[in-house]
Amino acid sequence: DQQVKQNSPSLSVQEGRISILNCDYTNSMFDYFLWYKKYPAEGPTFLISISSIKDKNEDGRFTVFLNKSAKHLSLHIVPSQPGDSAVYFCAAIVGGSQGNLIFGKGTKLSVKP
Amino acid sequence: GAGVSQTPSNKVTEKGKYVELRCDPISGHTALYWYRQSLGQGPEFLIYFQGTGAADDSGLPNDRFFAVRPEGSVSTLKIQRTERGDSAVYLCASSPIVSGLDEQFFGPGTRLTVL
Repeated sequence: DQQVKQNSPSLSVQEGRISILNCDYTNSMFDYFLWYKKYPAEGPTFLISISSIKDKNEDGRFTVFLNKSAKHLSLHIVPSQPGDSAVYFCAAIVGGSQGNLIFGKGTKLSVKP
Repeated sequence: GAGVSQTPSNKVTEKGKYVELRCDPISGHTALYWYRQSLGQGPEFLIYFQGTGAADDSGLPNDRFFAVRPEGSVSTLKIQRTERGDSAVYLCASSPIVSGLDEQFFGPGTRLTVL
C-alpha cells in the first residue's frame, strides 16, 4: 500500500495563475514532509519542506500547507511560470528514520504561456 | 561545486547479466542513498550508507542487489542475474549528515534497461 499518495497524475495551469498540487498520506508517524521537483533527465531537486508541528511554510512563490487531521498537504505556486513545468513529488519521513524518504508517484505540472 | 554524479547515464544489458552502477556523492557528504524509480512511480528507497557502512538496506528487493561504499565516498550498486523487472532509473542522493531533515541532493540517475 502506498503511504504517500498523489492522486492527480497531471495538472495544467495558465501562466500567472495559481497551481495547487495535492498529497495525502496514511502513516501518522510521518513528521516531516518535503516537495521535490524533477525535470526530464535530471534528478529530483528539493523545493520546500514542512515539519508536522507547523501548518504552513512559505518560500517566495511556493507555499506548503499541512492539515494533520486530514493527513493532507498541498503545494501552492503563485504566480505559476512556464519554467515551473516539471514533475512534483511529495515525500515524507518518520522522525529518526535516518533519511529514508517515502515518495508519492508525482504530479506532472504544465504551465502554459 | 560539483553535484552528485552517476555513471553510466544509460545502461542496456541482457537478462541474466551482471551490472554495476556508480555514484559519486558531493564531497564531504556523510550520507549516501540509493533509490529506484520505475516508470510512472516515485523514487523508491533501496539502501543508505552512513560513512562506509550500510545503515539501512531494508529497501533492497532481494539478494541479487548489493551495494558498497568502501571508502565512505563513491558507492557502487551491483545487480546480479538481471531481470527485465529491474529496468528502471536508479537514483543516488547524498546529504551532509545522516538525518532525514537534511536536504538530499540527487544525481541525474542511471537508466537501466534489461532486454
